[in-house]
Amino acid sequence: GQQLNQSPQSMFIQEGEDVSMNCTSSSIFNTWLWYKQDPGEGPVLLIALYKAGELTSNGRLTAQFGITRKDSFLNISASIPSDVGIYFCAGQTTYNTDKLIFGTGTRLQVFP
Amino acid sequence: DAGVTQSPTHLIKTRGQQVTLRCSPKSGHDTVSWYQQALGQGPQFIFQYYEEEERQRGNFPDRFSGHQFPNYSSELNVNALLLGDSALYLCASSLAGQTSEQYFGPGTRLTVT
Repeated sequence: GQQLNQSPQSMFIQEGEDVSMNCTSSSIFNTWLWYKQDPGEGPVLLIALYKAGELTSNGRLTAQFGITRKDSFLNISASIPSDVGIYFCAGQTTYNTDKLIFGTGTRLQVFP
Repeated sequence: DAGVTQSPTHLIKTRGQQVTLRCSPKSGHDTVSWYQQALGQGPQFIFQYYEEEERQRGNFPDRFSGHQFPNYSSELNVNALLLGDSALYLCASSLAGQTSEQYFGPGTRLTVT
């Protein structure tokens, strides 16, 4: 099935550092979402974006809807140990607004 | 405010058997989507149910079927299980007019031996 390209695949950072990850698609998307998944759990919605160029924050998390509508970025500032997990981007194309297409995931590890 | 619930948590089945997974949507939600998540990958869309009908289907064979009940809860059925069906099955709920914001349950871990 179709998946979005996420990078990096994994990150190992020290507590307090900032983190950036991105997601790209060959198709135009009209919605971008970012989810976090802990082991053995379902994905938890972090941020939803609806317009090209939109920048939205949720606490220490900031996400942007790329102006080309083919990419999105997630930044985490001042990382803490509970940020550990897998981050997935997801989106909906303009011609199919029911299903979410997910990225391949970025695994984040935070060391104290 | 009850979130999305799924049952069972874990399940072990043998090749060729059939399985039924259950999902109750978040309070107030009327649309249920099912996803399959293989180990190390992102979730893949199976299908979506609204008003007790399948509204959209992903690239999955007819062995995968579903049902939605009048109270919006849903079931996912998989027949003639294959080893490759081993995965985490996730249910997500949303409102019909806001299917972009889907809220996921904890999933059912299915192992086929």
